[in-house]
Amino acid sequence: GAVVSQHPSRVICKSGTSVKIECRSLDFQATTMFWYRQFPKKSLMLMATSNEGSKATYEQGVEKDKFLINHASLTLSTLTVTSAHPEDSSFYICSAREGRINYGYTFGSGTRLTVV
Amino acid sequence: QKEVEQNSGPLSVPEGAIASLNCTYSDRGSQSFFWYRQYSGKSPELIMFIYSNGDKEDGRFTAQLNKASQYVSLLIRDSQPSDSATYLCAVGAGSYQLTFGKGTKLSVIP
Repeated sequence: GAVVSQHPSRVICKSGTSVKIECRSLDFQATTMFWYRQFPKKSLMLMATSNEGSKATYEQGVEKDKFLINHASLTLSTLTVTSAHPEDSSFYICSAREGRINYGYTFGSGTRLTVV
Repeated sequence: QKEVEQNSGPLSVPEGAIASLNCTYSDRGSQSFFWYRQYSGKSPELIMFIYSNGDKEDGRFTAQLNKASQYVSLLIRDSQPSDSATYLCAVGAGSYQLTFGKGTKLSVIP
């Protein structure tokens, strides 16, 4: 089945620094990847849709200058949290779609970001 | 705006019982329906999908779809404590994007 690899799984950074999270589709090409954010005991929140070779589409309320998304190839999308602050601490999850929508999404294992 | 509604729970069932999770959706053009399971601190994993009206069974899991009522459900037979998790309903309508519900937390009591 489709596998999405996400790294790192856990990161602690100092306030004001930037953190890059990688999401790779290992055995399929993903023209579209999605980035979610989830606070403890809360539901998934879609942040942005990442399209290979074009600009990401951000959901309302998500700062595109703070959460930089790059989808430079059919197997890799990255999310960079710039100038991170403690309120950015969250669980970030990527997902990718293999083929048609009928196959659903495959999720990465998530990245637990803690900003101190 | 496409909406997917789930009861947030928690839904508590005794071990060995049937757990019934429900989901309604607003977009009549929806074509594909998915159930994901998410353990605390982990990312969601796909457990069932259904496209046609009726029932689809996979082991202890049965997905039920009623497009006329815009309703999809997941039944878990012989519930086990390891089934305790949040279950997410997701709906696709022929586009690239799925719409997720907020999830129902299931607790199976030993």
